[in-house]
Amino acid sequence: DGGITQSPKYLFRKEGQNVTLSCEQNLNHDAMYWYRQDPGQGLRLIYYSQIVNDFQKGDIAEGYSVSREKKESFPLTVTSAQKNPTAFYLCASSRQLSPLHFGNGTRLTVT
Amino acid sequence: KNEVEQSPQNLTAQEGEFITINCSYSVGISALHWLQQHPGGGIVSLFMLSSGKKKHGRLIATINIQEKHSSLHITASHPRDSAVYICAVSNTGNQFYFGTGTSLTVIP
Repeated sequence: DGGITQSPKYLFRKEGQNVTLSCEQNLNHDAMYWYRQDPGQGLRLIYYSQIVNDFQKGDIAEGYSVSREKKESFPLTVTSAQKNPTAFYLCASSRQLSPLHFGNGTRLTVT
Repeated sequence: KNEVEQSPQNLTAQEGEFITINCSYSVGISALHWLQQHPGGGIVSLFMLSSGKKKHGRLIATINIQEKHSSLHITASHPRDSAVYICAVSNTGNQFYFGTGTSLTVIP
């Protein structure tokens, strides 16, 4: 079955450590997105990529980095520069003018 | 001001009730989306529409382009409908804007 796989589901890190969240899709979608979800707020865009080897910052990119070396993969690194990294992170993909497909999310807790 | 506003934020209904969730937007769009998020976090797309009305089972979505307004209706609500419903809009650049969601609880 086609879909988006995010791993791990839960992730715990110490403050000051970088951490990478995985996102893989087998839907052959060109566009991929990373969103952050906090209680009481809508999804906020961190980074997006419309094509391999190209990506753009979203509204809250500071403290995050991404790569898009393969069409299927769009990993997100949460760096130690992100001041408030504890959140629920969602990866999504889509074709042009089509619905978003979401992964099941990664809940990151930094202490 | 958010590009997408939803109401109500929270909604509690008795099983069997007819439910309406509203969404207004302030930007130009190519489509409007209704999404469902269950506890545990995964999000699924329920509808994508650019005009008129769509129906899937007990769910109906409507959009009024002139009014920049959409509604999601659930007929004969059931406890398994309990979830967060999110309205989103997209443009021709494949950018998405999201509402903050409506948390629905259906009581048996």
